Amino acid sequence: AQSVTQLGSHVSVSEGALVLLRCNYSSSVPPYLFWYVQYPNQGLQLLLKYTSAATLVKGINGFEAEFKKSETSFHLTKPSAHMSDAAEYFCAVTPRGNTPLVFGKGTRLSVIA
Amino acid sequence: GAGVSQSPRYKVTKRGQDVALRCDPISGHVSLYWYRQALGQGPEFLTYFNYEAQQDKSGLPNDRFSAERPEGSISTLTIQRTEQRDSAMYRCASSLRAGGPNTGELFFGEGSRLTVL
Repeated sequence: AQSVTQLGSHVSVSEGALVLLRCNYSSSVPPYLFWYVQYPNQGLQLLLKYTSAATLVKGINGFEAEFKKSETSFHLTKPSAHMSDAAEYFCAVTPRGNTPLVFGKGTRLSVIA
Repeated sequence: GAGVSQSPRYKVTKRGQDVALRCDPISGHVSLYWYRQALGQGPEFLTYFNYEAQQDKSGLPNDRFSAERPEGSISTLTIQRTEQRDSAMYRCASSLRAGGPNTGELFFGEGSRLTVL
């Protein structure tokens, strides 16, 4: 079975500082991995997706994530946090096929001015 | 509309009542998913459809929960004899097609928040 673990339910960074949100996955087959973002009172929105084409994936709003098979990780980063990045971030996994996404518990990102 | 539309946005009901939650997916999207999200948790899979066919209902908690998508577009999630533990945000998402090149690219609605008193 596939699963993801997000380390840290809440991360707080200063505006302009590096953002690092951690995600480790468990999968019996090479997975597809995703990061979704949820702004207050909105639905989840796809941030970026890994499908094995390249290990470093760039997404919207300056975010990127690197797939590291040896570490079973897919951490999300952004060089410089902006106030508008404050949101809930979810890592998700699916094997290649028709199996629906399995989401992590989420990490709430706060950005301090 | 341009996005996934869910109704009602908020539903308060008394224990034992039945509720129906509606989802109108993005036009042309083949796959439709229902997730449930408790406070402080990630979305938990309930069921999904390709067109009108229910492909996987393994996430439905018990037989009080059912879903349909009779014409391959709008879907209804029904909870019978609601219980307090059913209180959660119910999220619908749609995608072009499960298993294709857009696998996992889901478009979510804003959700229906259910409160069972």
